[in-house]
Amino acid sequence: KAGVTQTPRYLIKTRGQQVTLSCSPISGHRSVSWYQQTPGQGLQFLFEYFSETQRNKGNFPGRFSGRQFSNSRSEMNVSTLELGDSALYLCASSPPYSGANVLTFGAGSRLTVL
Amino acid sequence: AQTVTQSQPEMSVQEAETVTLSCTYDTSESDYYLFWYKQPPSRQMILVIRQEAYKQQNATENRFSVNFQKAAKSFSLKISDSQLGDAAMYFCASPNNAGNMLTFGGGTRLMVKP
Repeated sequence: KAGVTQTPRYLIKTRGQQVTLSCSPISGHRSVSWYQQTPGQGLQFLFEYFSETQRNKGNFPGRFSGRQFSNSRSEMNVSTLELGDSALYLCASSPPYSGANVLTFGAGSRLTVL
Repeated sequence: AQTVTQSQPEMSVQEAETVTLSCTYDTSESDYYLFWYKQPPSRQMILVIRQEAYKQQNATENRFSVNFQKAAKSFSLKISDSQLGDAAMYFCASPNNAGNMLTFGGGTRLMVKP
């Protein structure tokens, strides 16, 4: 069974640009969550999508957005990049039942903003 | 809001020895789960062990076990017979009950000495 796939693995952008990251969950998983990991702030929840609907949202500015497609693949977008957006962005998927599910994480997308 | 605290930024253990990583949390939920995740240098987060709060018995997964003290809101991870491959960042995490939003602790870097 393929794991959670995130693309691209590495990318470099400059301030003011925008970026789109992609996440393909494990087959059959309908929930996709996104996390930002930085040395200063640690791991912070961005948002979660379930069946194409945003189910939870963390405390991030509106520059951070996401969406989920009918095949459960998800994208997140960051517009007007700032230096502080440099981070490892992790995506996780979980199976379609209620309760506290076990998340399976992808390898992450390392974003560097210059 | 949930908080998760890991008071040990760094720990070291001799190969084959036992080490305990600490975690405290705060939640207003009556029924919840707690997780320990491992993040090796490859960056991919891997679930180590999960504890359901309503279960009094401590969870065990091979060399990994937890000491769950619900009244004290403490959730420590014990690694027995430490191996070089155990070297990683370890994160304690607690989800809210409204989906897959995890609150992570700041992490403990575990070094294993040969």
